[in-house]
Amino acid sequence: ETGVTQSPTHLIKTRGQQVTLRCSSQSGHNTVSWYQQALGQGPQFIFQYYREEENGRGNFPPRFSGLQFPNYSSELNVNALELDDSALYLCASSYRQGPSEKLFFGSGTQLSVL
Amino acid sequence: TQLLEQSPQFLSIQEGENLTVYCNSSSVFSSLQWYRQEPGEGPVLLVTVVTGGEVKKLKRLTFQFGDARKDSSLHITAAQPGDTGLYLCAGVGGGYQKVTFGTGTKLQVIP
Repeated sequence: ETGVTQSPTHLIKTRGQQVTLRCSSQSGHNTVSWYQQALGQGPQFIFQYYREEENGRGNFPPRFSGLQFPNYSSELNVNALELDDSALYLCASSYRQGPSEKLFFGSGTQLSVL
Repeated sequence: TQLLEQSPQFLSIQEGENLTVYCNSSSVFSSLQWYRQEPGEGPVLLVTVVTGGEVKKLKRLTFQFGDARKDSSLHITAAQPGDTGLYLCAGVGGGYQKVTFGTGTKLQVIP
């Protein structure tokens, strides 16, 4: 148990639709990172939020956007869904501590785009 | 772009065998982490190595950080079926301590 919860666990959408994924971070953590993971591959960094501000972004288009709330929970929004967006979306919370940064992951949201 | 390549990509071995997984990059990282991920779950942190040349042991798992802080290895002694999973290395670095994951090594230990 990492204390990080994601919802929903599974989601099916059609191409062109919009989706919102949610993440509740572990108590005491002020940073949330979102990753996209294709089956059998390593997670790809989407972006990170630190104290409600986007703090870094990976190589993802602007239709991937996010929010972090005062309680440090977070949302990932994806507009104009494409077939290639089908993947496991992972949220990880952490407390900023430099090189020893430790990520605590939720179990993910499996998104299927048809 | 920081890339971490892991090898091998897949590994299927018998219970009791030893194995080594490699993680290589052209980039220097502040630290290197190893995670294990099981189906339907998020990755779980196993260890963080910070100093070049550092070696850490976790029961039957031995982790080493390269002297130049660009590569790492994970050695498992006497593998057990419970070691089955996706092993991920991850480099920590950059202005906001971004964690960049490797390509992954899928390990299957057959009883």
